[in-house]
Amino acid sequence: LAKTTQPISMDSYEGQEVNITCSHNNIATNDYITWYQQFPSQGPRFIIQGYKTKVTNEVASLFIPADRKSSTLSLPRVSLSDTAVYYCLVGEGGGADGLTFGKGTHLIIQP
Amino acid sequence: NAGVMQNPRHLVRRRGQEARLRCSPMKGHSHVYWYRQLPEEGLKFMVYLQKENIIDESGMPKERFSAEFPKEGPSILRIQQVVRGDSAAYFCASSPTSGSGTDTQYFGPGTRLTVL
Repeated sequence: LAKTTQPISMDSYEGQEVNITCSHNNIATNDYITWYQQFPSQGPRFIIQGYKTKVTNEVASLFIPADRKSSTLSLPRVSLSDTAVYYCLVGEGGGADGLTFGKGTHLIIQP
Repeated sequence: NAGVMQNPRHLVRRRGQEARLRCSPMKGHSHVYWYRQLPEEGLKFMVYLQKENIIDESGMPKERFSAEFPKEGPSILRIQQVVRGDSAAYFCASSPTSGSGTDTQYFGPGTRLTVL
């Protein structure tokens, strides 16, 4: 499984766009990139998943360069409720394997 | 459609007792995963089960821990003779199929085990 590296913590303010970058230099051809969000005392929640280029849903966008060695989760116009830990995962998918979580990025949104 | 359900949400046991954690997957999901999370850490994979089969238990401690997913009823994670180091949050996740890169795991709210 490809190892991921992401910042331990980030701070931002309400209304700002937040970009969290994850490095995964050893990503394999069959690997997808998936981001989860976890609030205190709750289970992780799926945010977005992609393989290459750009993926957008109602919550976030995921940017993946051509070499796929990194990815950036973009959260538009964050609010206080976006304060959470964000995990970047790389693997062949959530169905066949147990997911490998790192320590994630603790995002703190201030008023 | 109810999400993944886990019970109890909080469980307190004394050293040496047994802990039983239950997980009901989402409707239509036949794959169940158990994870353990220590404070300030990410989730660690423990075991992956399908109905009546253990598919991958590479993350399970060799002793005292067992898991099952019977044909009927919830998946059970059992910890025998608990020790203080077993205190953690245990999360269950489910998915509808396997083998595809786009299959998402849906997590339950977790069971917080405290060993006194």
